[in-house]
Amino acid sequence: AQKITQTQPGMFVQEKEAVTLDCTYDTSDPSYGLFWYKQPSSGEMIFLIYQGSYDQQNATEGRYSLNFQKARKSANLVISASQLGDSAMYFCAMREAIIQGAQKLVFGQGTRLTINP
Amino acid sequence: ETGVTQTPRHLVMGMTNKKSLKCEQHLGHNAMYWYKQSAKKPLELMFVYSLEERVENNSVPSRFSPECPNSSHLFLHLHTLQPEDSALYLCASSQGRWGGNTGELFFGEGSRLTVL
Repeated sequence: AQKITQTQPGMFVQEKEAVTLDCTYDTSDPSYGLFWYKQPSSGEMIFLIYQGSYDQQNATEGRYSLNFQKARKSANLVISASQLGDSAMYFCAMREAIIQGAQKLVFGQGTRLTINP
Repeated sequence: ETGVTQTPRHLVMGMTNKKSLKCEQHLGHNAMYWYKQSAKKPLELMFVYSLEERVENNSVPSRFSPECPNSSHLFLHLHTLQPEDSALYLCASSQGRWGGNTGELFFGEGSRLTVL
């Protein structure tokens, strides 16, 4: 069973508009963490934002915010005032386990975001 | 300069060749990872090292052999690969998550492998 689901293979947004990238997850563990990464064409995965399952407030990092709805098991990424440089693949990931301090992350299929001028 | 450096960036090899991918992290982290990224598939975790000890081997075929000689370096030795092994291989590192840190993974730019 897929643990991380990103239902939007691709999205096209006008520059300066806000965009929401969807992510739903599946776990029975009460303690987990959710991550969003950006992958530009260079290949490097860039960490954007993190939400812990016990965090009371939605995480925010600059133009990025995470709309965390625990009961729905969703962790959508919101990018405000999109820029041309935001065009990339975006991956949602969940921490599945911690093994001797190392984190086992499971990733979704990704969403390709294209920002149009 | 990124915190995690991977070499080579591109590699083409035949099925009978032996080659190695190298990863170096300059972040003082104590956990390192190999992920495989194939077209239209989610990232697949291959190996996890914590404090230079392999702690996870995700049912990876033996033609892939990892090596972690110290906390800063990670290798992936390749031999007798198949065409379906062609993919982007990503290395990552993280600070051990024993405290309150998020422990996010820092990735390199990947090694693009093509097996002919």
